[in-house]
Amino acid sequence: KAGVTQTPRYLIKTRGQQVTLSCSPISGHRSVSWYQQTPGQGLQFLFEYFSETQRNKGNFPGRFSGRQFSNSRSEMNVSTLELGDSALYLCASSLTVPINEQFFGPGTRLTVL
Amino acid sequence: TQLLEQSPQFLSIQEGENLTVYCNSSSVFSSLQWYRQEPGEGPVLLVTVVTGGEVKKLKRLTFQFGDARKDSSLHITAAQPGDTGLYLCAGVKNSGAGSYQLTFGKGTKLSVIP
Repeated sequence: KAGVTQTPRYLIKTRGQQVTLSCSPISGHRSVSWYQQTPGQGLQFLFEYFSETQRNKGNFPGRFSGRQFSNSRSEMNVSTLELGDSALYLCASSLTVPINEQFFGPGTRLTVL
Repeated sequence: TQLLEQSPQFLSIQEGENLTVYCNSSSVFSSLQWYRQEPGEGPVLLVTVVTGGEVKKLKRLTFQFGDARKDSSLHITAAQPGDTGLYLCAGVKNSGAGSYQLTFGKGTKLSVIP
């Protein structure tokens, strides 16, 4: 069974631009969660989607948004990039509820210059 | 404010030594998870503890959930180089009906020297 895949793996953008990251969950998994990981703040929960609906949300500004498609694939968008948005963005999928068991992808390393 | 404090932040030990990593909070959690993350990869779930006072063993790893469900510890016996990685704890507050709050500690970076 293929694991969670994320594309692209690395991305370099400049301040003010926007970016879209993609996540393909494990086949059959309906929940997709997104996290931001930085050395200073650690791993922080962004949001979770289940059956195309945002079910849970972390404490991030509205510049961070996401969506989920009918095949459970998910995208995350960050608009008006800031230097502080440089981070590893991780996606995780689970069958139903992430708090039971979730599987992480390798992440997308975003660098904002 | 960091809801979950992990200590130590860094740990470097010789192969064969024992070690304990701590995860502390002033909040009560529905459950607590431990993950290990290796460079270039996402975290991998090691265990979930649910009941206060619960102890779970995974080969040389022993996980304990505090009686009050506010803290947890991870003990590794006879550490091996393959144990090297970032250990993360995550506290879960389950509101029911699919609604929850998941908070991670900043992690303990473990290096086991052969």
